[in-house]
Amino acid sequence: ETGVTQTPRHLVMGMTNKKSLKCEQHLGHNAMYWYKQSAKKPLELMFVYNFKEQTENNSVPSRFSPECPNSSHLFLHLHTLQPEDSALYLCASSQGLAANNEQFFGPGTRLTVL
Amino acid sequence: SQKIEQNSEALNIQEGKTATLTCNYTNYSPAYLQWYRQDPGRGPVFLLLIRENEKEKRKERLKVTFDTTLKQSLFHITASQPADSATYLCALAPWSSASKIIFGSGTRLSIRP
Repeated sequence: ETGVTQTPRHLVMGMTNKKSLKCEQHLGHNAMYWYKQSAKKPLELMFVYNFKEQTENNSVPSRFSPECPNSSHLFLHLHTLQPEDSALYLCASSQGLAANNEQFFGPGTRLTVL
Repeated sequence: SQKIEQNSEALNIQEGKTATLTCNYTNYSPAYLQWYRQDPGRGPVFLLLIRENEKEKRKERLKVTFDTTLKQSLFHITASQPADSATYLCALAPWSSASKIIFGSGTRLSIRP
């Protein structure tokens, strides 16, 4: 595997379900990100991790819970979501948190909440 | 509040012409401006980065300009091809950290043969 991978690619869940999204980067990067992309809206940065430590939480509801066990893996745990949470969830990584680092994105998980 | 606007939701041009996409911003003083390409069902792919003290950057058929007075970046694709059809996103980041990055909503570019 190369680059940034995400599983599953598609997920349909009910509002009472608990599910997790997984992201893995094979680039040796130290920073990882979760973004939400809704139709016709800008990418919204949700969480940022650097060397496994969370550095940013952009007022994300607690029904989204991130976990970063090491610099290569990032999870997003989902619990009691709402239909408006349906979106494409993208994971990205970068060498570090310097603002001139390019970000490498995974293919995303298309989430539908019924 | 900080805001990024990309000139139009969609842009259609004839193959071989130059495509010009606009990114305007307000209430922000970015140090870096990045452009990404996103194809349907895929994550964005980095194309170019330009610093606030740079006026222009080129990479093959791509050219980016950055005018901090106008608070605007222009993204040009010369000799456009149908394979250039995609959504293009601009993103701004301050000096401090990439964790403060903000993205525009994108312009969907279609190149017709």
